[in-house]
Amino acid sequence: DAKTTQPPSMDCAEGRAANLPCNHSTISGNEYVYWYRQIHSQGPQYIIHGLKNNETNEMASLIITEDRKSSTLILPHATLRDTAVYYCIVRPRGTTQGGSEKLVFGKGTKLTVNP
Amino acid sequence: DSGVTQTPKHLITATGQRVTLRCSPRSGDLSVYWYQQSLDQGLQFLIQYYNGEERAKGNILERFSAQQFPDLHSELNLSSLELGDSALYFCASNEGLYNSPLHFGNGTRLTVT
Repeated sequence: DAKTTQPPSMDCAEGRAANLPCNHSTISGNEYVYWYRQIHSQGPQYIIHGLKNNETNEMASLIITEDRKSSTLILPHATLRDTAVYYCIVRPRGTTQGGSEKLVFGKGTKLTVNP
Repeated sequence: DSGVTQTPKHLITATGQRVTLRCSPRSGDLSVYWYQQSLDQGLQFLIQYYNGEERAKGNILERFSAQQFPDLHSELNLSSLELGDSALYFCASNEGLYNSPLHFGNGTRLTVT
């Protein structure tokens, strides 16, 4: 069962920041927040993940609230190629070598970037 | 390019037939995951292997089976195919370490007619 809640769709203007929210109010201490996206039936693409600190990489920033019950994925300057379904996933930390956990996908947010 | 290679890209077959989907993980990755994506079900986890051994099983039908070979490539076998098996099948891999992200291939699109 997906443990996250995301809006089904969002729109964003090209060049503006896209802020995608995710609620994960039942997250536990050993669970990470992962973000993936899927562009039109391609394989899901890893974006970023975090535990409790904010994270940034070349693709996006991840802001996790202090109580860890929600997070926001930020695409700083959205382009048309960022149009995709974005998945927020809560994933337990594996405990043994080879025990890394599967990802459980929900329905995600369909982000449309408009010119 | 994720580094995960899936073949074939497309497969069209008839009901009752058997097919094999192949996945080559990223260089150095020991763990392989299989997912099914159909229009009405979203991305569903099927099965995971780590270094040749089955590690986790999801909603995989008894008609489906998988294995991971010594060279770490994996195959998903689908038999007695039904129309409802038409879907995208994705393979993903990672190092198998505690918290490493999964990296997905671009899938095999299976059409059962």
